[in-house]
Amino acid sequence: NAGVTQTPKFQVLKTGQSMTLQCAQDMNHEYMSWYRQDPGMGLRLIHYSVGAGITDQGEVPNGYNVSRSTTEDFPLRLLSAAPSQTSVYFCASSPPGQGRTEAFFGQGTRLTVV
Amino acid sequence: AQSVTQLGSHVSVSEGALVLLRCNYSSSVPPYLFWYVQYPNQGLQLLLKYTSAATLVKGINGFEAEFKKSETSFHLTKPSAHMSDAAEYFCAVRGGTGANNLFFGTGTRLTVIP
Repeated sequence: NAGVTQTPKFQVLKTGQSMTLQCAQDMNHEYMSWYRQDPGMGLRLIHYSVGAGITDQGEVPNGYNVSRSTTEDFPLRLLSAAPSQTSVYFCASSPPGQGRTEAFFGQGTRLTVV
Repeated sequence: AQSVTQLGSHVSVSEGALVLLRCNYSSSVPPYLFWYVQYPNQGLQLLLKYTSAATLVKGINGFEAEFKKSETSFHLTKPSAHMSDAAEYFCAVRGGTGANNLFFGTGTRLTVIP
């Protein structure tokens, strides 16, 4: 039972480079989300999706794009990386339950932009 | 809108002592509340959740939390700290109207002194 799988675990980018953080879940959850974790700031929501073909912005969406073509996958794209995007990124998914259900998290991607 | 405030970014306790981690919430609708734990270099793991049933909620690893509407609080406690409890703890709130977005506090790092 894999749960939520994120790849890669670590990545170093140069300023201006682009990359995609991958997230896949095998629990058939409709809701998926991306967070970034920075020291002293907790987790902040970047983008989320309530189902295939539907995405929306969270608290800190600037500099990130997402798409949701399947229920399983929810990739996060950095089009032109900046040092301010150095962070740990977490993908999460939740089953339906009108808010009562918990989010299941991946192991995270530690991104450094130099 | 929903938010949580965690008082104390760092808490130190002696092994065997009471653990108390504070969380206050703000929500315009009846909230669902969650406590997550994060061990070093890992993702977030659910400790417990409040979903409007019993106000005293028991979780894993001997932790429990009590929902107090009059105080807008959901503090996490454990009677006797163990070395393995050293981690970062996050309180999170989700609106109870079917929205799935989780809003996190800034976290509390727990140190257990032998």
